[in-house]
Amino acid sequence: GAGVSQSPSNKVTEKGKDVELRCDPISGHTALYWYRQSLGQGLEFLIYFQGNSAPDKSGLPSDRFSAERTGGSVSTLTIQRTQQEDSAVYLCASTRAASGNTIYFGEGSWLTVV
Amino acid sequence: AQSVTQPDIHITVSEGASLELRCNYSYGATPYLFWYVQSPGQGLQLLLKYFSGDTLVQGIKGFEAEFKRSQSSFNLRKPSVHWSDAAEYFCAVLTGTASKLTFGTGTRLQVTL
Repeated sequence: GAGVSQSPSNKVTEKGKDVELRCDPISGHTALYWYRQSLGQGLEFLIYFQGNSAPDKSGLPSDRFSAERTGGSVSTLTIQRTQQEDSAVYLCASTRAASGNTIYFGEGSWLTVV
Repeated sequence: AQSVTQPDIHITVSEGASLELRCNYSYGATPYLFWYVQSPGQGLQLLLKYFSGDTLVQGIKGFEAEFKRSQSSFNLRKPSVHWSDAAEYFCAVLTGTASKLTFGTGTRLQVTL
């Protein structure tokens, strides 16, 4: 597609379950980012990929959070043993290179942990 | 580390009035600067960006922003606001050496008719 695609768009899960969120970046974009937007909070950086490697994962809030990217394209953000405080919108973004180019965002995956 | 401050959490303007949303950044060198808009339930849409050159940049939907190095500011302006401009606006900075956008906390714009 033309834009960054994320799925699912909405997910309700029970506390303690694992969830996977998927991001399909714009074709040709080598850099990929995950951000989290909690209610009443700003945009919190989680992780950055350049190709398949993650040179910056400084924003992952705990070891329950992990992400991978395969084939330099699709990325999956996994949250294990979800907690209620994980409820947020998870936004994915991509760009052609790490800097100097526009970063395009998807519409987000809305996660609710009950 | 770089940081972005948006001092106004919430702004209300009348339709047709002018608008200025403030953004200040902290970074030693010239950053790349962005303004994004987020409508309810939507992702982030890029309004405009500053990389270099002319310090007054034009964006979509009639928005413009001016980079002022001396004030470390990148304020967003629109001469006449439309009701459809009601949304949340985020200023962001991307440095030459950093790998990520750092966002301000956002300004929620309400437009009254």
